[in-house]
Parts: sequence; structure tokens; C-alpha cells
Amino acid sequence: EDQVTQSPEALRLQEGESSSLNCSYTVSGLRGLFWYRQDPGKGPEFLFTLYSAGEEKEKERLKATLTKKESFLHITAPKPEDSATYLCAVRHGGDYKLSFGAGTTVTVRA
Amino acid sequence: GAGVSQSPSNKVTEKGKDVELRCDPISGHTALYWYRQSLGQGLEFLIYFQGNSAPDKSGLPSDRFSAERTGGSVSTLTIQRTQQEDSAVYLCASSQTSGRGNEQFFGPGTRLTVL
Repeated sequence: EDQVTQSPEALRLQEGESSSLNCSYTVSGLRGLFWYRQDPGKGPEFLFTLYSAGEEKEKERLKATLTKKESFLHITAPKPEDSATYLCAVRHGGDYKLSFGAGTTVTVRA
Repeated sequence: GAGVSQSPSNKVTEKGKDVELRCDPISGHTALYWYRQSLGQGLEFLIYFQGNSAPDKSGLPSDRFSAERTGGSVSTLTIQRTQQEDSAVYLCASSQTSGRGNEQFFGPGTRLTVL
């Protein structure tokens, strides 16, 4: 069975204090690792897809990387508007459904 | 439309009543998914529709849950004889099935409260 584990559960940062979120996974035949952002009371917002080890994607202050066992979401010089829950999900084999981690809630203080 | 829409945004019902939740996917997306997000838990897959193929119902928690998709577009998730443990946010997503990533785009969700 797929397992997706995110750490830490919560992260409190000062504005400008860079940090990283971790997503470790156990899945056979990875067909994509997905990062989403979710604000309170809203649906998840798609950020990135990573397909193979060594791949990196960037968007504004966010950078996602992938190894064979885990993915990192790096937040560089965060701002208060980066406060959200960040979700990691995997898709494997011929399956289309996503298996999600529990998320990391990031709070950035001004 | 520009994105996935869901209705109602909130639904409060009494235990034992039936409820219907609606999802309108992104135009042109052939795949549609339902997930459930309970308080403090991750998203849980419920059901998946792809074109005219038989749906993947492997995530439905009981036979009180059912879903249909009419005309390859709008979908309705029905919960019969609701129980308090059904209280959750029900999220719908859609995707294109062509291409490598099959990125799923989510709607805002329906918050269901069973009293």
C-alpha cells in the first residue's frame, strides 16, 4: 500500500527565514509526485509535478526537488502570504488516483 | 468554466437523511475524482470517472455512498442515510487524461455536517 509521510506537521517561520518541508514515500512505479497548497476553507491548489529523481521545479519562492525516496519543498525568504498547508501526493502505476500525505501547515510571521 | 465548481458550499443535515453533492468539472477534462477530507486527516480517495469507462469505486467507504456522472460532465455524489462520521469536506477534482502528469485540479469543496 502507498505510504506518503510529511514532516514536520507544523512549521512556524519568521518572514525571510528559509526552510524545507519533507515528503517521504513508498510506492512502486512512481508516475508522479505532486505538491499542492491549501488555504483554510478552500480546495487544494496545484503547485508542481515531479516525475523522476533529480528533477527540480520552481515557482516564485518555492522550489520542489525529488529523490528516489523523498521530495523536498524549499521555501526561500517566505512572506506571510506563503502561510498555508502544503500537501504532497503520489500517483503510481496505471492508477489515476492520488495518495496524499497529511500535510505540513506553514505559518509565516511578519 | 474557469475552474471546478461544487455545490452547495455548505450542507447541514440530520442523521439518517440523504444528501446530494454536485461537481461541475473544468470544460474538456475527461477524468473526474471525488475525495473526502476529514478534520485533521489527509485527503481520502472515494471514486474516479474516466470517459465512458466503468468508474473506479474502490474508495467508497460503504454502500450508502454512490456517485454518477451524466453526459461525461457533471457528477453527483449521493450519501444515503447519513451518519455523523460522514461529516467532512467533500472535494471534487478533474484532469485531462492525455499527457504525462494528469494533474488534478480541485474545486472549493462541500462542507457536510451531519447532526
